Amino acid sequence: DIQLTQSPSFLSASVGDRVTITCRASQGISSYLAWYQQKPGKAPKLLIYAASTLQSGVPSRFSGSGSGTEFTLTISSLQPEDFATYYCQQLNSYPRTFGPGTKVDIK
Amino acid sequence: QVQLVQSGAEVKKPGASVKVSCKASGYTFTSYGISWVRQAPGQGLEWMGWISAYNGNTNYAQKLQGRVTMTTDTSTSTAYMELRSLRSDDTAVYYCARDRQTAVASSFDYWGQGTLVTVSS
Repeated sequence: DIQLTQSPSFLSASVGDRVTITCRASQGISSYLAWYQQKPGKAPKLLIYAASTLQSGVPSRFSGSGSGTEFTLTISSLQPEDFATYYCQQLNSYPRTFGPGTKVDIK
Repeated sequence: QVQLVQSGAEVKKPGASVKVSCKASGYTFTSYGISWVRQAPGQGLEWMGWISAYNGNTNYAQKLQGRVTMTTDTSTSTAYMELRSLRSDDTAVYYCARDRQTAVASSFDYWGQGTLVTVSS
């Protein structure tokens, strides 16, 4: 199975900050990586697919990059509604594993 | 608009079974798969398995093999996930998600609202 790690696991930031989250895969997954945002008590929401493609309706302050084994999610200017937990997921092979999550909290 | 609406919360005793439904609307049901994902309290997301709504093919997480069955009813555009021999560590919110598998857009693009399954004696 492909394992995903995320760093950091917790991040404290202020409104307006630039935030970067890293996801690493235990083996190459090409660009078959998605990012999700989850708020407490809600279902995850797709932000990015194919490593760097913004899902329709997602604000342009979110961006993704990377391929192979290392990927990043960047929020260019953190907004109050962005405080949430972020998960990466690989869709290169089964099982469709998720990273452990990165919680973005208010400083 | 695409919607996935799941059945309501369940409370089950250890050893029992639970069947969660996920009714899809707003798209051609047989053109996509459905994946099931669960989340234990305070924990991360765990992929449980996938079913093709086109032909019923499945792929289950190894740790759940033998206890989980995923099915679809194309006449009602509904997917089902049955989990048997429930244990306390099966207590979780269970989500269905539309599984978009293409060469350039693989992702879970729409999610149900979640179904809380509590396993307790």
